[in-house]
Amino acid sequence: NAGVTQTPKFQVLKTGQSMTLQCAQDMNHNSMYWYRQDPGMGLRLIYYSASEGTTDKGEVPNGYNVSRLNKREFSLRLESAAPSQTSVYFCASRRSRDNTEAFFGQGTRLTVV
Amino acid sequence: AQSVTQLDSQVPVFEEAPVELRCNYSSSVSVYLFWYVQYPNQGLQLLLKYLSGSTLVKGINGFEAEFNKSQTSFHLRKPSVHISDTAEYFCAVSAPSGTYKYIFGTGTRLKVLA
Repeated sequence: NAGVTQTPKFQVLKTGQSMTLQCAQDMNHNSMYWYRQDPGMGLRLIYYSASEGTTDKGEVPNGYNVSRLNKREFSLRLESAAPSQTSVYFCASRRSRDNTEAFFGQGTRLTVV
Repeated sequence: AQSVTQLDSQVPVFEEAPVELRCNYSSSVSVYLFWYVQYPNQGLQLLLKYLSGSTLVKGINGFEAEFNKSQTSFHLRKPSVHISDTAEYFCAVSAPSGTYKYIFGTGTRLKVLA
């Protein structure tokens, strides 16, 4: 039982390059989330998907796009990376709003130079 | 909208001493409250949660938290800490209706000293 799987684990990008962070969960959860974690700022919500076919902006959506490809997968895309997007990115999932525990992936450490 | 405030960014404490990590929340509706722990280079894992009922909630690793609606607080406590409790602790809030957002505080780094 893998839980929430994120790929890649590490990535270095040059300013202006694009990339997609992948996230997949095997727990049949309805809701999925993308966060970024920066020192002193905790986890900030970038985008979330309440259920398959829906996505909504979180606290810091600028510079990112998401796709809820199916129930299992929720990807995060950086179209033109900037140094300010250097961060650790976490994907999480929850079965539903009533089943409230979130399960997290191991994170993707992204550096933009 | 919901928000979470963790006023203490770092808390040093000696081994076997008690500790309290503070969390205050803001919401116009009833909420669910959580504490998560993050060990170095890992994702977050749930310590405990408050959904309803008894205001004193017990979690894993000897931690407990008390929900105080009048003070809008959900402080985390442990009567005697171990070196292995050194980690970052996050308070989080979600709502049982309306938005599906799941909002975290800025975290408190607990450092247990020998």
